[in-house]
Amino acid sequence: AQTVTQSQPEMSVQEAETVTLSCTYDTSESDYYLFWYKQPPSRQMILVIRQEAYKQQNATENRFSVNFQKAAKSFSLKISDSQLGDAAMYFCAYRSARGFGNEKLTFGTGTRLTIIP
Amino acid sequence: DGGITQSPKYLFRKEGQNVTLSCEQNLNHDAMYWYRQDPGQGLRLIYYSQIVNDFQKGDIAEGYSVSREKKESFPLTVTSAQKNPTAFYLCAVGSGTIYEQYFGPGTRLTVT
Repeated sequence: AQTVTQSQPEMSVQEAETVTLSCTYDTSESDYYLFWYKQPPSRQMILVIRQEAYKQQNATENRFSVNFQKAAKSFSLKISDSQLGDAAMYFCAYRSARGFGNEKLTFGTGTRLTIIP
Repeated sequence: DGGITQSPKYLFRKEGQNVTLSCEQNLNHDAMYWYRQDPGQGLRLIYYSQIVNDFQKGDIAEGYSVSREKKESFPLTVTSAQKNPTAFYLCAVGSGTIYEQYFGPGTRLTVT
């Protein structure tokens, strides 16, 4: 079974600075997808970014980018120019690419990010 | 107005009562999922359904039941057999052609 580990329960960063959230995962599969979700105080889960394992290029979405190291099974999220609205719980998630019947998302335990004004 | 709706936002029940949480979507996605979130833990899958009239157990299905009579709806019943029902419940949708899942706003269930 796949597992996802987020070893930083809490992180803080000064507004406008850069912060990196860590995620590692364990899988025997070679093809899969990785995601970062954000959960603000409203508790709505919002997709931040996704990465396909077969792609070597790291995904980027505006101020959010990932560092995907497939061999190391590492998938960190970098937030540049941090804003107050980035304060939230961030969850790393894994999904198999094996297709029908294997769409379950496996989540890490989350990292609470605080933005310091 | 489109998207995924879950109702109610907050739900209170007495121990021993069954309770049904609603999840409706108008995104025309085939797959629907129920997750449970507890403090300090990530989301855990309860049940999922890929097509109408079919559903599969997730990792923590004991004490829960579901139905999928319509593509748009996937209600979750928390039965009296669920030992620790107090939690935040999230419904999600997806499909075979997209990789990610999209979540509803959630229902906070408190059982006393």
